[in-house]
Amino acid sequence: AQSVTQLDSHVSVSEGTPVLLRCNYSSSYSPSLFWYVQHPNKGLQLLLKYTSAATLVKGINGFEAEFKKSETSFHLTKPSAHMSDAAEYFCVVSSGTYKYIFGTGTRLKVLA
Amino acid sequence: NAGVTQTPKFRILKIGQSMTLQCTQDMNHNYMYWYRQDPGMGLKLIYYSVGAGITDKGEVPNGYNVSRSTTEDFPLRLELAAPSQTSVYFCASRKISGGTDTQYFGPGTRLTVL
Repeated sequence: AQSVTQLDSHVSVSEGTPVLLRCNYSSSYSPSLFWYVQHPNKGLQLLLKYTSAATLVKGINGFEAEFKKSETSFHLTKPSAHMSDAAEYFCVVSSGTYKYIFGTGTRLKVLA
Repeated sequence: NAGVTQTPKFRILKIGQSMTLQCTQDMNHNYMYWYRQDPGMGLKLIYYSVGAGITDKGEVPNGYNVSRSTTEDFPLRLELAAPSQTSVYFCASRKISGGTDTQYFGPGTRLTVL
């Protein structure tokens, strides 16, 4: 069975400081992992994805995530937060089935 | 190339009314999905389809029906609307080929049942 846990429901950072959004997953098979971002009243946009190639994945807008199999984690990071990064972020796992499993989301707040 | 389009953007229903949420994709993807997103929650899968004529239930199918007569269209039908169906509904299509696996989401339909 697959599952995904986002460890923080809310994260606040100051503009210009690093961002860390944590995600742990559980999967019986080699998973595909994704991060999506949702700005207020908008649809979901793909930030980045891991599909068994390089373990460090670079995405859009300066975000990146590292797949760590030993820790079953796929944390999202960004070196320097920007005000426009304020949004809801979803970690998603897929393991060769038809379905995606979504985490409950982390709301990122960026303080001026 | 419009991607995934959904109509309407907003709708208010009275309890017991019915409606159809429309979803169309122009990317020739076989897989399509309907999700609902409740406030402060992640997305829950309602129904999905792996191709024209083939649909299956997701996590929360009760109160909904779907059909997939063409590759492009995947409408979601609400029968006898209830306040518990107040939510934002997202349609998505999925491309799986040559190591690529990506879902593309529509802009959503915000439904209120009063």
